[in-house]
Amino acid sequence: QKEVEQNSGPLSVPEGAIASLNCTYSDRVSQSFFWYRQYSGKSPELIMSIYSNGDKEDGRFTAQLNKASQYVSLLIRDSQPSDSATYLCAVVAGGTSYGKLTFGQGTILTVHP
Amino acid sequence: GAGVSQSPSNKVTEKGKDVELRCDPISGHTALYWYRQRLGQGLEFLIYFQGNSAPDKSGLPSDRFSAERTGESVSTLTIQRTQQEDSAVYLCASSLTGGANVLTFGAGSRLTVL
Repeated sequence: QKEVEQNSGPLSVPEGAIASLNCTYSDRVSQSFFWYRQYSGKSPELIMSIYSNGDKEDGRFTAQLNKASQYVSLLIRDSQPSDSATYLCAVVAGGTSYGKLTFGQGTILTVHP
Repeated sequence: GAGVSQSPSNKVTEKGKDVELRCDPISGHTALYWYRQRLGQGLEFLIYFQGNSAPDKSGLPSDRFSAERTGESVSTLTIQRTQQEDSAVYLCASSLTGGANVLTFGAGSRLTVL
């Protein structure tokens, strides 16, 4: 079992729809969770971080965390073609206090006009 | 600098050659990381520097890989006797402190081993 699992996609949604990206992790001790966006050929860019159970909203993005189920998700409302990218879920390795991140393989999102 | 700078952006080398990849972190960032991303995969942690010491080298795949950092600035990742499986994008990231786990990534160095 991979430590961080994501559906590789591709996930295709129409412009204006809600895109839902999911991630599960195996390390119960993990406390910090991140979503990165990576455009083709570019470096990952942090878009959301979440540390507590529940929802965290930032503009069109909402991250959801459920530590009991070891599940973290990212919702993108009013999806735009510019949101088309690979979305990487990352988890800080349990027991570490620095940025040792374990990444999922990423979900490819395509938003079509 | 304004961002994390990496060089070279692209490197093509022959199997068995040594390569050096350079990272210049954001000024004032004490923590520096190297990650590797193989085609179509997520990022793999390689090594963490706090200042010029490396308290976590657990991700280095073999003894052909080494890294050093000068003070709280430039880091160099060296791969000796490169193999085709070393082909990947090598990403450097930095953060303000080791305890801050929000990382800013550089654009990466794409290594192709023929």
